[in-house]
Amino acid sequence: EVQLVESGGGLVQPGGSLRLSCAASGFTFSSYSMNWVRQAPGKGLEWVSYISSSSSTIYYADSVKGRFTISRDNAKNSLYLQMNSLRAEDTAVYYCAKTTVTNLDYWGQGTLVTVSS
Amino acid sequence: SYVLTQPPSVSVAPGKTARITCGGNNIGSKSVHWYQQKPGQAPVLVIYYDSDRPSGIPERFSGSNSGNTATLTISRVEAGDEADYYCQVWDSSSPLVVFGGGTKLTVL
Repeated sequence: EVQLVESGGGLVQPGGSLRLSCAASGFTFSSYSMNWVRQAPGKGLEWVSYISSSSSTIYYADSVKGRFTISRDNAKNSLYLQMNSLRAEDTAVYYCAKTTVTNLDYWGQGTLVTVSS
Repeated sequence: SYVLTQPPSVSVAPGKTARITCGGNNIGSKSVHWYQQKPGQAPVLVIYYDSDRPSGIPERFSGSNSGNTATLTISRVEAGDEADYYCQVWDSSSPLVVFGGGTKLTVL
């Protein structure tokens, strides 16, 4: 059974940093690209970042480019999102999602990030 | 950047058919995926590649895609189908993954 478990969310002040983690199990993690997707309270889904299976290809949404860094450790079956210079508008539930070609076929339960003073 | 447009809400009586549209420029040339999200839960893939169903998704869920509109159809709607539904495509330019704004399905 595919499982994705996010952690690392919490309350942080504007300008602060957080590192999210996503622990994967139930599939060959090193064979699949991964994404981070976020959802602000009461809002829709917003794609944040993509990383290929070997980390050779990485993309970011314009809204986070230069502030967020996606990475993975295939030996540890883990995906990460380093978030710096956080803003109030980054407040959201952050989901990691397994990618199969162009669809996100499995999602974690999400971790809440709140940026507030 | 590519834009997907969904109606904010759709209402349907139990046992009837719900159709949720997703509009985009020449969307028929792209592969469209659909997700169901119930309150407090993570999204679940219900249709991929326009019309394929993942295992475990009822046959009542179907999809089509042509021209400028993709459609998610839910037949014999049940109370448990009440949720937000999002369409998604993969775009070669930024943003890479594009979601529609979401449609809230209300079962009357």
